[in-house]
Amino acid sequence: ILNVEQSPQSLHVQEGDSTNFTCSFPSSNFYALHWYRWETAKSPEALFVMTLNGDEKKKGRISATLNTKEGYSYLYIKGSQPEDSATYLCALHTSYDKVIFGPGTSLSVIP
Amino acid sequence: DGGITQSPKYLFRKEGQNVTLSCEQNLNHDAMYWYRQDPGQGLRLIYYSQIVNDFQKGDIAEGYSVSREKKESFPLTVTSAQKNPTAFYLCASSFAGGPGTGELFFGEGSRLTVL
Repeated sequence: ILNVEQSPQSLHVQEGDSTNFTCSFPSSNFYALHWYRWETAKSPEALFVMTLNGDEKKKGRISATLNTKEGYSYLYIKGSQPEDSATYLCALHTSYDKVIFGPGTSLSVIP
Repeated sequence: DGGITQSPKYLFRKEGQNVTLSCEQNLNHDAMYWYRQDPGQGLRLIYYSQIVNDFQKGDIAEGYSVSREKKESFPLTVTSAQKNPTAFYLCASSFAGGPGTGELFFGEGSRLTVL
């Protein structure tokens, strides 16, 4: 079974703080690395899909980087807001469309 | 509106019974997936399908079965052989097509409780 790991498991930050999470994965034989945000009582929604080594994506205050050679991706949130509170999932899109998720990082932003 | 519909939202089952969870999408997506979530854990892949009449086992397929007779539909049957069926089940779909594609779109989930 292919293992996708995420750290930390949970995180509590003050409003306005910047934060980052890590996703690590086997560094070969994959098509893409996905990041999703999963808010309570909602469905997970895609933030980024990254494929190339050195890829950097940005959406508002959230950005992500990808290092395929060493098998990790970082997700950054600048100036956290209470509405950023959610579980952040990374997923590895392997060959043949198998998509494997990590356990997630639960973020709580304290007003 | 395009999207993924899962039903039922909540389901109670007695031990020894099979149940079928429905997943329908009108996004014209090729690939469909079933995941299971248990408390404190991430999403674990049960089955996935890239094309009609074809599907593959995920990491925890034992005790489950699926069919893909139509592009729009990917029902999951939780059989009596599944030892711990109480969980939250999520269905997802995406365009298939190789590198760089395949962002998943999710349904709202079905919560199964075995009494």
